[in-house]
Amino acid sequence: ELKVEQNPLFLSMQEGKNYTIYCNYSTTSDRLYWYRQDPGKSLESLFVLLSNGAVKQEGRLMASLDTKARLSTLHITAAVHDLSATYFCAVGDNNNDMRFGAGTRLTVKP
Amino acid sequence: ETGVTQTPRHLVMGMTNKKSLKCEQHLGHNAMYWYKQSAKKPLELMFVYSLEERVENNSVPSRFSPECPNSSHLFLHLHTLQPEDSALYLCASSQESRGPGNTIYFGEGSWLTVV
Repeated sequence: ELKVEQNPLFLSMQEGKNYTIYCNYSTTSDRLYWYRQDPGKSLESLFVLLSNGAVKQEGRLMASLDTKARLSTLHITAAVHDLSATYFCAVGDNNNDMRFGAGTRLTVKP
Repeated sequence: ETGVTQTPRHLVMGMTNKKSLKCEQHLGHNAMYWYKQSAKKPLELMFVYSLEERVENNSVPSRFSPECPNSSHLFLHLHTLQPEDSALYLCASSQESRGPGNTIYFGEGSWLTVV
């Protein structure tokens, strides 16, 4: 059974700093997704990564995928308060469904 | 506005009540999903419908009964729920349920409290 682990689960960082969220998964997969969720809101799709070595960037967020290591990272550059949210990674399993990580609750402080 | 609309946004129900959650997608997708999000567990897939046919039922108790009358609408009928069923129920849709790279779009969720 596919298992998805995110760390850290909670992250408090200062504005302007850099940090990385990690997503490990247990079995082979050909796709990985990153979502953002604001309190009381829906999940918003950020990135879809489909191949080994894939890297995608949007603003201050950059996601990468290493299928050999079964690892994806979400790197935050020069954090700003607006990035405060919960970030989820999700991995496609053999049934083409998605397994979600527990989420990383990010708080960016001034 | 995500293109996936859920109603009601908040629901409080007793354990003997019958209620329904409604989801509508305006994206022209042909697959729809129900997920459960609770404080203690990762996001859990409950049901998947593809072309109005249920293709996934992840060992969900029978007190949850889904219905998909067409590709744009999805219901979750609730009956004799337990307090531990209190959670955020998220509806989602995608272009097809089986295929790499298909992004799933989520509704804003229905907050359910069972008393």
